[in-house]
Amino acid sequence: DADVTQTPRNRITKTGKRIMLECSQTKGHDRMYWYRQDPGLGLRLIYYSFDVKDINKGEISDGYSVSRQAQAKFSLSLESAIPNQTALYFCATSDFSKGTQYFGPGTRLLVL
Amino acid sequence: GENVEQHPSTLSVQEGDSAVIKCTYSDSASNYFPWYKQELGKGPQLIIDIRSNVGEKKDQRIAVTLNKTAKHFSLHITETQPEDSAVYFCAAGAGYSTLTFGKGTMLLVSP
Repeated sequence: DADVTQTPRNRITKTGKRIMLECSQTKGHDRMYWYRQDPGLGLRLIYYSFDVKDINKGEISDGYSVSRQAQAKFSLSLESAIPNQTALYFCATSDFSKGTQYFGPGTRLLVL
Repeated sequence: GENVEQHPSTLSVQEGDSAVIKCTYSDSASNYFPWYKQELGKGPQLIIDIRSNVGEKKDQRIAVTLNKTAKHFSLHITETQPEDSAVYFCAAGAGYSTLTFGKGTMLLVSP
């Protein structure tokens, strides 16, 4: 089984709808991250959490919110989706003693 | 904050040739430099990393070099194979905190 899983893998929604992307990990890592990938722009950090009670904004947090429900679960919400939030979203995890991040398979989101 | 620039954005080579991807960073506090490979439809996967206390690291056909004075690091792939075709990302980070990624290099290895 995959160490980092993301659901759903693909999602189509309409402008103005609320949507939640979920991430779960079995690696036992304390740190979790949400990234957005757009063609030609690389990976940009949206939010990150270093433990269950810690939430931090990344480079592009506007229009997004997160919830760390447990050490193993970190969800990303778009309260009112807009077309320019169409992108590939990745969750990642890391251990506090190492910098290496491990990525999930991604969620492809299309906002119409 | 940290800024990472990556070149080239696309790279085409013949099978068996070498490929070099270069990155520069701006924050002198950065001391961890991983490289990720992303195949189509998958998440990025770590292929090699280097910390600032070493200048070079090798793993079979892959090597990474780091020049802290010039603030640049490079990925070298020798004897390229078609399965090396993918998008490669460099990243930089300080301590065990967040990473800043380059914009990626699409490598195409032709048979």
